[in-house]
Amino acid sequence: QSVLTQPPSLSGAPGQWVTISCTGSSSNIGAVYAVHWYQQLPGTAPKLLVYGNSNRPSGVPDRFSGSKSGTSASLAITGLQAEDEADYYCQSYDSSLSSWVFGGGTKLTVL
Amino acid sequence: EVQLVESGGGLVEPGGSLRLSCAASGFTFNNAWMNWVRQAPGKGLEWVGRIKSRTDGGTTDYAAPVKGRFTISRDDSKNTLYLQMNSLKTEDTAVYYCTTITVFEGRYDAFHIWGRGTMVTVSS
Repeated sequence: QSVLTQPPSLSGAPGQWVTISCTGSSSNIGAVYAVHWYQQLPGTAPKLLVYGNSNRPSGVPDRFSGSKSGTSASLAITGLQAEDEADYYCQSYDSSLSSWVFGGGTKLTVL
Repeated sequence: EVQLVESGGGLVEPGGSLRLSCAASGFTFNNAWMNWVRQAPGKGLEWVGRIKSRTDGGTTDYAAPVKGRFTISRDDSKNTLYLQMNSLKTEDTAVYYCTTITVFEGRYDAFHIWGRGTMVTVSS
């Protein structure tokens, strides 16, 4: 059972908009800790997609955007493309566990 | 080119030991805080542990499931990170990734650069 809760799967058609939620608690997302998002394409290592709740590293398309409110965070992907089919993970720090924590991951299927 | 390359994975029996290595290049390794993150087959990501840079104390922290069994160390002269795994259990079976922490904008520490991972299988 992951400390951060994500939907196990989502799907969308090319060109559509999808949102992946990440729900935590007062000891992680609801505290001062930022949320980061990672994309893992099949058979590859994770890649940092969004840092600090809503910022994109250099090279990440602006189709990807993040937000945080209260004890939850979201990753939005607009203009869905076939190459977006991947697993997506949220990540934060948990003060109760003194540990970095990940969500369970969301498998995004592009129909 | 910034690169992390893990090695040392393989098959080991329960109760056994294994040492993983992670060779770094393309960045100032001795300034980096380094982590190990693992992923069991078909499962999500799990943080294993972290070692700070020597200038920041070189201290280590571990996730509860591996504390007391795993030890992270570094050799800055070789630009190499290590993970010594003892008393291995079947539930330690996973791909082990090494990853750097980058502090963005002076405040957001995220896992930025990742290696390709090395597979560890604990089975009799």
